[in-house]
Amino acid sequence: AQSVSQHNHHVILSEAASLELGCNYSYGGTVNLFWYVQYPGQHLQLLLKYFSGDPLVKGIKGFEAEFIKSKFSFNLRKPSVQWSDTAEYFCAVSTGTYKYIFGTGTRLKVLA
Amino acid sequence: DGGITQSPKYLFRKEGQNVTLSCEQNLNHDAMYWYRQDPGQGLRLIYYSQIVNDFQKGDIAEGYSVSREKKESFPLTVTSAQKNPTAFYLCASSISAVSGETQYFGPGTRLLVL
Repeated sequence: AQSVSQHNHHVILSEAASLELGCNYSYGGTVNLFWYVQYPGQHLQLLLKYFSGDPLVKGIKGFEAEFIKSKFSFNLRKPSVQWSDTAEYFCAVSTGTYKYIFGTGTRLKVLA
Repeated sequence: DGGITQSPKYLFRKEGQNVTLSCEQNLNHDAMYWYRQDPGQGLRLIYYSQIVNDFQKGDIAEGYSVSREKKESFPLTVTSAQKNPTAFYLCASSISAVSGETQYFGPGTRLLVL
């Protein structure tokens, strides 16, 4: 069965630290990959997405993600986090159907 | 402003009661979705609709029902058959149900059982 794994459930960082959140998926065919973010009290919103082409994707607020096909991974990175990045982050995969498969989410807390 | 609205923000259900969660979008999107979010489990698809008057079950449809009589509306009913309804419910829409379309989410409804 298709699945998405997010390895870190809770991450605590100090401001200016670097961030990398892991995401691995299990599906052998063509995929579209997404990172969504849910800030406290706000809607779940798109952070970035990968369809094809350059495997390094840049999103909003200085986030980027790299698609490594051989590792079935789509890790999210940010060189220097801010207190305002405190949120829950979800990785998602869309395959050849209607369906998104979401990971279980990673709660990031950034200490000021 | 274009977007998705969900109401109510909080909903309390008594044992044996059916409750309906509202979802409205003014984005002119064809596809709409209902997800259930539980702590540590991410988002799980309950139902989706690709077009008006059509909908399909997702992964956890038991105990839920939907209708899609209008393009902009996709209400979800949590029936008494749903034995563990306490959760956060998210409605989403996308231009179409084609793979890879960005989904836009509403603010959610938190359902609690009395």
